[in-house]
Amino acid sequence: GAGVSQTPSNKVTEKGKYVELRCDPISGHTALYWYRQSLGQGPEFLIYFQGTGAADDSGLPNDRFFAVRPEGSVSTLKIQRTERGDSAVYLCASTLAGEIGETQYFGPGTRLLVL
Amino acid sequence: AQKVTQAQTEISVVEKEDVTLDCVYETRDTTYYLFWYKQPPSGELVFLIRRNSFDEQNEISGRYSWNFQKSTSSFNFTITASQVVDSAVYFCALSEVDTNAGKSTFGDGTTLTVKP
Repeated sequence: GAGVSQTPSNKVTEKGKYVELRCDPISGHTALYWYRQSLGQGPEFLIYFQGTGAADDSGLPNDRFFAVRPEGSVSTLKIQRTERGDSAVYLCASTLAGEIGETQYFGPGTRLLVL
Repeated sequence: AQKVTQAQTEISVVEKEDVTLDCVYETRDTTYYLFWYKQPPSGELVFLIRRNSFDEQNEISGRYSWNFQKSTSSFNFTITASQVVDSAVYFCALSEVDTNAGKSTFGDGTTLTVKP
């Protein structure tokens, strides 16, 4: 498919465990964004990559959250010592050039449930 | 700080009615972008429109139209002759150019239900 893909689509884990969420952006898109969407709310910005580097990680809630994009394509969002409050849908989006105001194309999200 | 308010949490209409979804934003930047997205039950956000702050022309695309008014900081979305397939959560978003480059701030969404 040509769109943004995210795996897994659903993830259930226990409090205290470590999880990894994967995002495959649209081929050729240089910028990649992670958002978190809690029930009944809009997406909240977490982190933005331009190429391999994190251009802005100011939305990461604490040091349990970390994201990488080692080859400038696929990105992995990592959450350590998960807490029940981490339960949400994690959305990934990509843009062609990462220019301000550029349209973001979103993936279907990963639904994370921490028990 | 940038902020987007969608005061209508839920709206329910009967098919073929017109419906307007409100969006009010706050920003100190003079240059910014506004967006509307649709989120159907499948969960994927679908881009509908982008408008920059220097373009106040209203836009129409089929049954969809958007009214951008800088004087009231509003960017409202109207669906004419609504259909059941329009049922979804709709999000308005703001992206500041000077202050918050690269980030979009979303409203909490309006859940639209169109009944047959």
